[in-house]
Amino acid sequence: EVQLVESGGGLVQPGGSLRLSCAASGFTFSSYEMNWVRQAPGKGLEWVSYISSSGSTIYYADSVKGRFTISRDNAKNSLYLQMNTLRAEDTAVYYCAREGAASDAFDIWGQGTMVTVSS
Amino acid sequence: SYVLTQPPSVSVAPGQTARITCGGNNIGSKSVHWYQQKPGQAPVLVVYDDSDRPSGIPERFSGSNSGNTATLTISRVEAGDEADYYCQVWDSSSDHPYVVFGGGTKLTVL
Repeated sequence: EVQLVESGGGLVQPGGSLRLSCAASGFTFSSYEMNWVRQAPGKGLEWVSYISSSGSTIYYADSVKGRFTISRDNAKNSLYLQMNTLRAEDTAVYYCAREGAASDAFDIWGQGTMVTVSS
Repeated sequence: SYVLTQPPSVSVAPGQTARITCGGNNIGSKSVHWYQQKPGQAPVLVVYDDSDRPSGIPERFSGSNSGNTATLTISRVEAGDEADYYCQVWDSSSDHPYVVFGGGTKLTVL
């Protein structure tokens, strides 16, 4: 079964750091581009970051650039998001999402992990 | 930055047709994807590349895209279709490609 499972969310104080992980299974992870998307409570979807299949190309949303770092380990079938200098407005459910092989749509999503930034 | 505009809500009776629009400047030149999200669940891709359906998505879901408006059409609406729907494109007008989501439309089945 094709699956993405996020972990690493939790409660963190403003200015703190957190590292999210996304474990992939059921497909050849190294062949797919990956993204992080977040959703603040009661709000819409917001794209966070993209990484190419090899990890050589990376993009960030302006709202997280300079604070968040996306990475992947194809040997471990895992995607990561290192989040530093967290702010209250970073509070959200964070989803990892796979881009389709023949389209740039997000065809597989994880169940999400909640990040709460609060003192 | 590129903006996608969706109506906040659409209501339709069971068995009728729901149309959810997504407006953007010359959106017809882009590939539009649509996602369905039910409460407490992750989004699910229901239409990609304007009008294609992933396997497992009913034929009742269809899409179109022209000019400044893309449309998701749900025929013979069922109670189980009640959800939030988001359109999405990739925009390359800034210094790097950027994913843009519409604000979402809540579909209510009366």
